[in-house]
Amino acid sequence: DIQMTQSPSSLSASVGDRVTITCQASQDIDNYLNWYQHKPGKAPKLLIYHASNLETGVPSRFSGSGSGTHFTFTITNLQPEDIATYYCQQFDSLPPLSTFGPGTIVEI
Amino acid sequence: QVQLQESGPGLVKPSETLSLTCAVSGGLMRSHYWSWIRQSPGKGLEWIGYIHDSGSTNSNPSLKSRVSMSVDASKNQFSLNLSSVTAADTAVYYCAGGFYGSIFIVGYWGQGIPVTVSS
Repeated sequence: DIQMTQSPSSLSASVGDRVTITCQASQDIDNYLNWYQHKPGKAPKLLIYHASNLETGVPSRFSGSGSGTHFTFTITNLQPEDIATYYCQQFDSLPPLSTFGPGTIVEI
Repeated sequence: QVQLQESGPGLVKPSETLSLTCAVSGGLMRSHYWSWIRQSPGKGLEWIGYIHDSGSTNSNPSLKSRVSMSVDASKNQFSLNLSSVTAADTAVYYCAGGFYGSIFIVGYWGQGIPVTVSS
């Protein structure tokens, strides 16, 4: 099974800051990695797919990069509405399986 | 605008079967993969399984023996059955749908339904 680790598990930053979250896969997953934002009581929201593709309608202050085993998610110019837990998600096709990272809580 | 809505009992007794249904509105179910994902209290997200309108399914190996899924495209809904539940199955259950023909690029989400397993 592919294991996903995320760091940090939580962070506190100020409005306007640049925030970086990393996700590490236990084996090469190419670019089969997505990032989601999850606010309490709400459904998770897709932000980035295939490691670096910004989903339609998502603000450009969100970005992702990486391939293989190491991935980075960045929020530039942090806004109050960005308070949430952020999850990375790896997926594979043969067989079709998916695992989420443990999440990173972003506070202001 | 596709919308998903979960329905089902909020309380299930241990050893019984948890049954949930997801109603899809605002679009056709065809050519999409539909998934169930859950979040246990204090924990992260866990993918349970997916179903395609063709009927093909797959599920998390850790749950596979207890999971069954079905789809009724004529009613625009799909369902999850999780058998022999224990307290560890207490969670918020989300139904979800894939974007771009993908199983796992999950762009459609229901609001989630909390399910408690308790006698």
